[in-house]
Amino acid sequence: DAKTTQPNSMESNEEEPVHLPCNHSTISGTDYIHWYRQLPSQGPEYVIHGLTSNVNNRMASLAIAEDRKSSTLILHRATLRDAAVYYCILRSSSGGTSYGKLTFGQGTILTVHP
Amino acid sequence: NAGVTQTPKFQVLKTGQSMTLQCAQDMNHEYMSWYRQDPGMGLRLIHYSVGAGITDQGEVPNGYNVSRSTTEDFPLRLLSAAPSQTSVYFCASSYGAGPTDTQYFGPGTRLTVL
Repeated sequence: DAKTTQPNSMESNEEEPVHLPCNHSTISGTDYIHWYRQLPSQGPEYVIHGLTSNVNNRMASLAIAEDRKSSTLILHRATLRDAAVYYCILRSSSGGTSYGKLTFGQGTILTVHP
Repeated sequence: NAGVTQTPKFQVLKTGQSMTLQCAQDMNHEYMSWYRQDPGMGLRLIHYSVGAGITDQGEVPNGYNVSRSTTEDFPLRLLSAAPSQTSVYFCASSYGAGPTDTQYFGPGTRLTVL
């Protein structure tokens, strides 16, 4: 499975934008880039995913580098409720032993200051 | 929809005891899975199921059994609890296991084995 690398932690102020980076230099052409987050004492929740093009939804934006070796999750205006661990996950479309599996790394702990 | 529900929320066992962690979903999802999360770490896949009557092992299956007799329910059995199984357990479900299928997680069961 292709590996992702994220910073251990990041800090932000409330109502400021946050850019969470993820490196995935060994990504294959059919790997989708997913982001999940885990709020304190809760299960992970889906944030966004993409393949090649940048994506927007009501929670966040995903910017994917042209060579797909890195991506950035963008929270446009951080709130205190966005304080969580953010996981960048690659999901293969090739099936096999990766079927359905989410491979969680350590993620990035985002702290939001009032 | 209640989404993914898990019971109990908390459980304390003695070494050697057995128990079943319950997981149910009301979204008619075919794919269900169990993860464990140890302190400061990402989630690891224990077992998964692609539909009623079909289960398979994940990354860390030893000491756990699963069955899937209905689409809605996916219980996880600890056969003989050990302190190494102290963890937070999350159940997840999704419509399918494809690379664009969003997975929905339950709130977790916090298990302590003494």
